[in-house]
Amino acid sequence: GESVGLHLPTLSVQEGDNSIINCAYSNSASDYFIWYKQESGKGPQFIIDIRSNMDKRQGQRVTVLLNKTVKHLSLQIAATQPGDSAVYFCAENFGNEKLTFGTGTRLTIIP
Amino acid sequence: GAGVSQSPSNKVTEKGKDVELRCDPISGHTALYWYRQSLGQGLEFLIYFQGNSAPDKSGLPSDRFSAERTGGSVSTLTIQRTQQEDSAVYLCASSFSGRNTGELFFGEGSRLTVL
Repeated sequence: GESVGLHLPTLSVQEGDNSIINCAYSNSASDYFIWYKQESGKGPQFIIDIRSNMDKRQGQRVTVLLNKTVKHLSLQIAATQPGDSAVYFCAENFGNEKLTFGTGTRLTIIP
Repeated sequence: GAGVSQSPSNKVTEKGKDVELRCDPISGHTALYWYRQSLGQGLEFLIYFQGNSAPDKSGLPSDRFSAERTGGSVSTLTIQRTQQEDSAVYLCASSFSGRNTGELFFGEGSRLTVL
């Protein structure tokens, strides 16, 4: 079925440390997997995406890893900063431009 | 402005009343989406407009919900006879068509509270 889920609803990380947010998916037909960041009172903001034929993609301080064998997606944030505190959502795109979002993980950066 | 604009930002209404939520997408974006986000939850797809094609209404939860997009730009989401379970943040997003990736540009949402 079409479902995207997250392993942990909350995550606390010391400022400066690296964080890893995980996501499981069930639909092997997804074309793209995407990570969004949502700060309090704001709409979600695109962070990074990865095509289904890739295993890894890097951005600025972020890396997304895709393991299609176990249907697992992760977002790694390096050297976390207070501004990284937010809710992070993974989402799937099945090629029809309609995204299916997970529940979200709240990341809190501890000063 | 350059981003997706939504209004009102907050709406409090009484059960049974109708509400209209407006979305002004980014200029040039042909795709427009409505999502609903309940407290502490993920985003629930409602409806998707793409150019002049028939909208994808598969996410609308009941026939009390409807949306239109006039002139390929501004969209209005209408909820008739509101119920308390309709209370949520309604998010609008737009994107370029044909890109077929996942980059949607979201507005800040309209928070609806049904008393």
